Amino acid sequence: EAGVAQSPRYKIIEKRQSVAFWCNPISGHATLYWYQQILGQGPKLLIQFQNNGVVDDSQLPKDRFSAERLKGVDSTLKIQPAKLEDSAVYLCASSILAYNEQFFGPGTRLTVL
Amino acid sequence: RKEVEQDPGPFNVPEGATVAFNCTYSNSASQSFFWYRQDCRKEPKLLMSVYSSGNEDGRFTAQLNRASQYISLLIRDSKLSDSATYLCVALLINDYKLSFGAGTTVTVRA
Repeated sequence: EAGVAQSPRYKIIEKRQSVAFWCNPISGHATLYWYQQILGQGPKLLIQFQNNGVVDDSQLPKDRFSAERLKGVDSTLKIQPAKLEDSAVYLCASSILAYNEQFFGPGTRLTVL
Repeated sequence: RKEVEQDPGPFNVPEGATVAFNCTYSNSASQSFFWYRQDCRKEPKLLMSVYSSGNEDGRFTAQLNRASQYISLLIRDSKLSDSATYLCVALLINDYKLSFGAGTTVTVRA
């Protein structure tokens, strides 16, 4: 069974630039999550989708971050403009239903210079 | 106060030893808990789910103490391959609130 796919794996940008990450969840998984993991910390939930609807985006910095999940499958997370403190690994995860076991993708390592 | 707190460690133990560590959660209404394992520069993977008082899977045992609001993870007969960061997750289903701890690092030495 194919796992959660993410791209790109690595991205280096300068502050104030824009960046987008893509996630393809496991087929049939209704719930999709985006996490931000800063070095030495646990993953922080940014946004959770149930199909193509948002369940929780309370920790998403909406002035610069946006996410969408069109057609309830793939998802993109965008940062515009990026700040130095956005340097982190961005993890995408999916689960069959909300709060079942989450399967994580390999993550995108973002460095903002 | 953080939703989920963990002793960051590191716990350095010899092969074959038993190691245990706790995760405390602040919201008494948290309903379910998970332990994930994360290897260095890798993604987290589910180790164990805890829905009632505890769970056991081979050398790993999780115990939930609702009165004191903590979950423990015990690893028996430690292997070198158990070296990883263990992440605790607390879940508030009714509020759709899911919180990860910062993780406990375990290093098993030969």
